[in-house]
Amino acid sequence: NFMLTQPHSVSESPGKTVIISCTRSGGSIASNYVQWYQLRPGSLPTTVIYEDKQRPSGVPDRFSGSIDSSSNSASLTISGLKTEDEADYYCQSFDTNNLLIFGGGTKLTV
Amino acid sequence: QVQLQESGPGLVKPSETLSLTCTVSGDSISNSYLSWIRQPPERGLEWIGYISDIGSTNYNPSLKSRVTMSVDTSKNQFSLKLSSVTSADTAVYYCTKGGAPRPGYWGQGTLVTVSS
Repeated sequence: NFMLTQPHSVSESPGKTVIISCTRSGGSIASNYVQWYQLRPGSLPTTVIYEDKQRPSGVPDRFSGSIDSSSNSASLTISGLKTEDEADYYCQSFDTNNLLIFGGGTKLTV
Repeated sequence: QVQLQESGPGLVKPSETLSLTCTVSGDSISNSYLSWIRQPPERGLEWIGYISDIGSTNYNPSLKSRVTMSVDTSKNQFSLKLSSVTSADTAVYYCTKGGAPRPGYWGQGTLVTVSS
C-alpha cells in the first residue's frame, strides 16, 4: 500500500497564504482523487476539498486544492488566512481496493 | 441541513463489543456511502470502513476481523460494532455520509473509552 505524508505543523499570519502539502509514496498521486478535511476543536469536521480541487458549497473560495505529478503530491492552499482557519487538516485518498488512506494531519496555526 | 449524530456508550470494558449508531437527519441515506472514522487521543484519523445504502461493505484490513457495519434505511440510521476491544480502541468515533466512498458530511464525534 502507499502512505500520504503531511508536514506536522505550519504557521502563518492572518491575511497571508499557506500551502499544506500531501506527498504520496508509492503510486501516482493522480491515480486516485484526493480530499481534504478540516478538524477544528468544538466544531463539526468539514470537507473543504474533494476530488483534488472541487470545493463543496459553503466552503469559502479562499480554499483551493491541486495536485502536482512532478512532486507526486497534493496541496491545499488557503489564502487570506483568518484566525478561524486555525485547525488540523487531513488529506485522504484511496488505494486500488477503494480503501481510504489518510495523511497524518497538519496543525495550522494562524 | 444534513446532520449526523453518533450515539452509544461512552465507556466499554476490555474484550467487550463497542456499539455505535449514527442517525442522519435532513437527507435520506439512500444512494449514500456511510463511513466510520476514528481518532485516538493525540493521533490522526483512521478509517474504519464504509457501508452503502444497499449493505455492501468495505473495511480497513487492520480491523476487518472485528468490525461489523449495518444500515437501517427505514430509520435513516447506520451502525458500527467493534468486537474484542482493548485500550487501543479508545478514540473519538465519527460517522460520515457521502455520495461517493469518501466522507462528505460528518457527525460531531463521540468519545469511546475502553476501560474496566
